[in-house]
Amino acid sequence: DVVMTQTPPSLSVAIGQSVSISCKSSQSLVASDKNTYLNWLLQSPGRSPKRLIYQVSKLDSGVPDRFSGSGSEKDFTLKISRVEAEDLGVYYCLQGTHLPRTFGGGTKLELK
Amino acid sequence: EVQLVETGGSLVQPGKSLKLTCATSGFTFSNAWMHWVRQSPEKQLEWVAQIKAKSNNYATYYAESVKGRFTISRDDSKSSVYLQMNSLKEEDTAIYYCSWYFDFWGPGTMVTVSS
Repeated sequence: DVVMTQTPPSLSVAIGQSVSISCKSSQSLVASDKNTYLNWLLQSPGRSPKRLIYQVSKLDSGVPDRFSGSGSEKDFTLKISRVEAEDLGVYYCLQGTHLPRTFGGGTKLELK
Repeated sequence: EVQLVETGGSLVQPGKSLKLTCATSGFTFSNAWMHWVRQSPEKQLEWVAQIKAKSNNYATYYAESVKGRFTISRDDSKSSVYLQMNSLKEEDTAIYYCSWYFDFWGPGTMVTVSS
């Protein structure tokens, strides 16, 4: 199975601060169709997960452009510029290239 | 508006069976690849199963931890996807979510396996 390693496990931030979360995979996530199926999800407290970014850097509809994704092959980053209160929760990376699909362990974003 | 709603979760004894249902609306279900994902009490997300569309021969895929015990199926006429869970173990205790392409998720249904 592809192991997804997320760091850091938690982040304490002030509103307006920018943060980055890293996700590294144990295998390349480039698929046979040349796409890279790396997703970022946010689970707000008491809610279901919500996808923010797919295929490394494409923002889902309605996701603020404060969020951005980057990376390639095995190394990926989610950046949040100017954190707002609604951004708090647990962020997960998820690879959709290989079976079984696998999630990172999560990064909890909290208020400082 | 896209909606997914899971039902069927409950408290069940080890070794017993349970069937979850995910009713959907707001999108062309017959073309959709659907997933079941679970979240343990420790909050870790685990992909459980996937079913593709009729055009993909309804191909199914499973996590190793549930292979041979769980079966994913769908009824396109009801826009619903199912998860039949047999020989349940305590480690199957989790919130079970259905998801369309990991883009849309239901609110989840709780399954507790305990004697």
